[in-house]
Amino acid sequence: QVQLVQSGAEVKKPGASVKVSCKASEYTFTDYYLHWVRQAPGQGLEWLGWINPNIGGTTYPQKFQGRVTMTRDTSISTAYMELSRLRSDDTAIYYCAREDYGGNVAHWGQGTLVTVSS
Amino acid sequence: QSVLTQPPSVSAAPGQKVTISCSGSNSNIGNNYVSWYQQLPGTAPKLLIYDNDKRPSGIPDRFSGSKSGTSATLGITGLQTGDEADYFCATWDNSLSALVFGGGTKLTVL
Repeated sequence: QVQLVQSGAEVKKPGASVKVSCKASEYTFTDYYLHWVRQAPGQGLEWLGWINPNIGGTTYPQKFQGRVTMTRDTSISTAYMELSRLRSDDTAIYYCAREDYGGNVAHWGQGTLVTVSS
Repeated sequence: QSVLTQPPSVSAAPGQKVTISCSGSNSNIGNNYVSWYQQLPGTAPKLLIYDNDKRPSGIPDRFSGSKSGTSATLGITGLQTGDEADYFCATWDNSLSALVFGGGTKLTVL
């Protein structure tokens, strides 16, 4: 079954950057888009964008354009999400998630807690 | 402030039925498929319903989805204590060019 294993928790200072990894297994990495979604403490879900692991193409919502960068390394079936110029309100659990069922966000990683604090 | 509006909480007794609404607009629900997610405490979301009314393999038929105009509804029958969770709706928004989520609804099984 699809497995997405994310990197461990991070603590960053305001203004810094964070890079979260998502290692995929049990399927062909380049066959499915990967999305990144975050959830602030006690809050709802917020979409950060997607990456096409086959060609590396990305789509980001306007809110995060210029601050988020999604990349991948097909040799190790791993996707990355880097968020720059961190603020305290970026404190959240960051999830990677793979599409299935005709383009729906279906299979989720375990999440990575990113804490932004001075 | 979420683009999609859900009630903050709903509750019902074990064995009963509950519905959770998700209201949007023509730029999102009105012209796109809706999906629903269940998030148990401390875990990642899980896809329950996709394309308005389809269930992924392994999801029991106690869970159902429907859409009418700019609103969607998740139904859960035969409620169990294990159904206590947060439920989120989601769809694509053509104006924002973004995947958008509802604010979430906390289900309590009394």
